[in-house]
Amino acid sequence: GENVEQHPSTLSVQEGDSAVIKCTYSDSASNYFPWYKQELGKRPQLIIDIRSNVGEKKDQRIAVTLNKTAKHFSLHITETQPEDSAVYFCAVRATGNQFYFGTGTSLTVIP
Amino acid sequence: DAMVIQNPRYQVTQFGKPVTLSCSQTLNHNVMYWYQQKSSQAPKLLFHYYDKDFNNEADTPDNFQSRRPNTSFCFLDIRSPGLGDAAMYLCATSRQGGGYGYTFGSGTRLTVV
Repeated sequence: GENVEQHPSTLSVQEGDSAVIKCTYSDSASNYFPWYKQELGKRPQLIIDIRSNVGEKKDQRIAVTLNKTAKHFSLHITETQPEDSAVYFCAVRATGNQFYFGTGTSLTVIP
Repeated sequence: DAMVIQNPRYQVTQFGKPVTLSCSQTLNHNVMYWYQQKSSQAPKLLFHYYDKDFNNEADTPDNFQSRRPNTSFCFLDIRSPGLGDAAMYLCATSRQGGGYGYTFGSGTRLTVV
């Protein structure tokens, strides 16, 4: 299956600073890249996604950028708040119907 | 509300005793997935159904089976649970084509004693 790598595994930022999480993937035919936020004991929740024909997408404080040539995409959170603290997973939709997840980033926003 | 429902939320089973987890959806999505998520790890895809077509991941143990009797329901059967199978099991659905995100169920946390 698709090989998805995610970095960093843990990230601590001061409240108000920005956070960036990066994922790389292996299958150049992959065409859809969602990001999920998972709070402790809860299901992953979709927060933003991007398709392969778009380079950047923004939704308020959250943005995702995609570099298809380099096969990587990144999540950007600006003006971080304590409630942004969670585990974030990137995912890649492979050429079949499968989604493969990155290994996760535990984000801590320090008040 | 349209959603993905998993039952039960918590399941305790004995070592080696077969157990079934269930998932239902009202979204009319044609693709359903089962993921295993262990503590502090990413969800790991076990298998998925595209309509009635079953697709197994190469590294999914034979101990795990699945059934999808109709569009709305999908079951995960663990034939002989071991201690290593204790995990959160997440069901997800998606609509095929064009790149759509998942809708996850709330998950079933399985404990093996």
